[in-house]
Amino acid sequence: AQSVSQHNHHVILSEAASLELGCNYSYGGTVNLFWYVQYPGQHLQLLLKYFSGDPLVKGIKGFEAEFIKSKFSFNLRKPSVQWSDTAEYFCALGGMNTGFQKLVFGTGTRLLVSP
Amino acid sequence: SQTIHQWPATLVQPVGSPLSLECTVEGTSNPNLYWYRQAAGRGLQLLFYSVGIGQISSEVPQNLSASRPQDRQFILSSKKLLLSDSGFYLCAWSSQGGYTFGSGTRLTVV
Repeated sequence: AQSVSQHNHHVILSEAASLELGCNYSYGGTVNLFWYVQYPGQHLQLLLKYFSGDPLVKGIKGFEAEFIKSKFSFNLRKPSVQWSDTAEYFCALGGMNTGFQKLVFGTGTRLLVSP
Repeated sequence: SQTIHQWPATLVQPVGSPLSLECTVEGTSNPNLYWYRQAAGRGLQLLFYSVGIGQISSEVPQNLSASRPQDRQFILSSKKLLLSDSGFYLCAWSSQGGYTFGSGTRLTVV
């Protein structure tokens, strides 16, 4: 079975602070990892994804994430957050089951950036 | 280009009433299709997925069912809604590792 844990449910930061959101996963096979963001009143949007290759993945809007296989982690980072980064962030794991990838999400982290 | 349509956007239904939410995909063939539910404080939970017409896999026991009568159509249904069925329902499709999500349906059961 595959699972994703996001331990920070709510994070409050001031503008220009650095951000790191934790994501740990459990799965014994090949994984694809994703971070999605949901801004208030908007659809889920893909921030970045890791399939293979360089474990440091850069996404949109200055976000990056690092895949650390030994720690089963895929933490999301941003050096300096903006008020517009206020949103809910979801880590997701796509585990390959008999050739079919099933996407499982973490419970999400609500980020509030104060101006 | 590939697009995904999901309707209605919002729905208020009484307890015990039936439910039918529809999702259609354009611009692709034989997609993998998914239904997710986002309940308050619980993140996104995978409810059903389908790899082809008539092929439905259920992830969690529940009061809902899904059907795929056509290649690009995925329907979420219930015969009798419960209060606990309230939530935000998202349809998604995937191809070659990428996922696209619909705009969602906010269901309130009263």
